[in-house]
Amino acid sequence: SQQGEEDPQALSIQEGENATMNCSYKTSINNLQWYRQNSGRGLVHLILIRSNEREKHSGRLRVTLDTSKKSSSLLITASRAADTASYFCATSTNAGNNRKLIWGLGTSLAVNP
Amino acid sequence: SAVISQKPSRDICQRGTSLTIQCQVDSQVTMMFWYRQQPGQSLTLIATANQGSEATYESGFVIDKFPISRPNLTFSTLTVSNLSPEDSSIYLCSVPIQRRGFSYEQYFGPGTRLTVT
Repeated sequence: SQQGEEDPQALSIQEGENATMNCSYKTSINNLQWYRQNSGRGLVHLILIRSNEREKHSGRLRVTLDTSKKSSSLLITASRAADTASYFCATSTNAGNNRKLIWGLGTSLAVNP
Repeated sequence: SAVISQKPSRDICQRGTSLTIQCQVDSQVTMMFWYRQQPGQSLTLIATANQGSEATYESGFVIDKFPISRPNLTFSTLTVSNLSPEDSSIYLCSVPIQRRGFSYEQYFGPGTRLTVT
């Protein structure tokens, strides 16, 4: 079942602007991950943040995690037209050796040149 | 990391027929996942394919409709049987790869876009 909910569902910005996407989840997690999908193709892993971390950076990406609010945000700075894609959050639970991820509904980002 | 290929990349099938999708990984992995992604939707896990044992299906998915084979540690197939237009989706395979701190990230194949007419 889907436990993650991203908002907004769709986001349209101009090149150079920052894009912020949010993700909420319901149960305790081991880590939260963000993935990107271009035009219905395979997903690409972007960044993983563990439950004991609050913020993580990777290039133009910044992810925050607030376990008290069960929420995360993905910030893409200085966006480019090539960032146009769907972005999904996914959570991994603390249950043993569970390698499954629980997926959010996704945010569709359009960056206009 | 892992490099994953899928065949076919897309297909158009008539209702009542079946489509078998192949997933090939460039390294040995114990676990592979099969997902369905309906148009404009998120990913829904169909089943987990483990080498040497029966696949484990998620609620709402049954072996008769989605038989899975896992003959070795680098290959799996998913068959979508008795196709109906509602089966039109993207089908994705993925493998979990362990990273530092015992967390798992998933690596995806490029997907198979199925259209049922």
